Amino acid sequence: GAVVSQHPSRVICKSGTSVKIECRSLDFQATTMFWYRQFPKQSLMLMATSNEGSKATYEQGVEKDKFLINHASLTLSTLTVTSAHPEDSSFYICSARAVGLAGGPYYNEQFFGPGTRLTVL
Amino acid sequence: DAKTTQPTSMDCAEGRAANLPCNHSTISGNEYVYWYRQIHSQGPQYIIHGLKNNETNEMASLIITEDRKSSTLILPHATLRDTAVYYCIVRAGGYSSASKIIFGSGTRLSIRP
Repeated sequence: GAVVSQHPSRVICKSGTSVKIECRSLDFQATTMFWYRQFPKQSLMLMATSNEGSKATYEQGVEKDKFLINHASLTLSTLTVTSAHPEDSSFYICSARAVGLAGGPYYNEQFFGPGTRLTVL
Repeated sequence: DAKTTQPTSMDCAEGRAANLPCNHSTISGNEYVYWYRQIHSQGPQYIIHGLKNNETNEMASLIITEDRKSSTLILPHATLRDTAVYYCIVRAGGYSSASKIIFGSGTRLSIRP
């Protein structure tokens, strides 16, 4: 159980286009999802926290108008990289935090997706 | 900012126990110690977590010092598939913003045949 999927796994696009990445929790509900970015040989950097039905909270230095996040349901969050440029090329990873009763399975646990590799030409 | 300090890299012989240290001297009472690992080009994988007691599961053991200022992740019989970057993370319990996972630099563990 506790699987998080991302689609697509890889995407190559031209500079100036927009790219949408989907993150789904497959067998649990997640009121909160997180988006991370990872450049080669670096650690994961938290970009934003996405709460179902409300606006995302962005970390300092992350442009909210460039990285649009929508969390329309308890199992789906999307990240749209608008007007992508080569410097946006990176590995984007989402994570979903499970809801549930204290003491129950998955309570407060955070599960990660397999990542999406974005290459902007 | 990450609240943990880990060695940049370590290596271990296949079949031996891999002991990965982590310093978290500023940990507060409601914060847990979590360990994740990331195999190349994959998403992080949960390994184990604990509050103050030692923990063991099918993947690893977690030893937390009595003062909770440091911990050690033990992979009892390392295999080549355990080669990865291992992240020690401190996070609060509950659903507050303090419970979000912030990654540090991690330890790059190499298992040699």
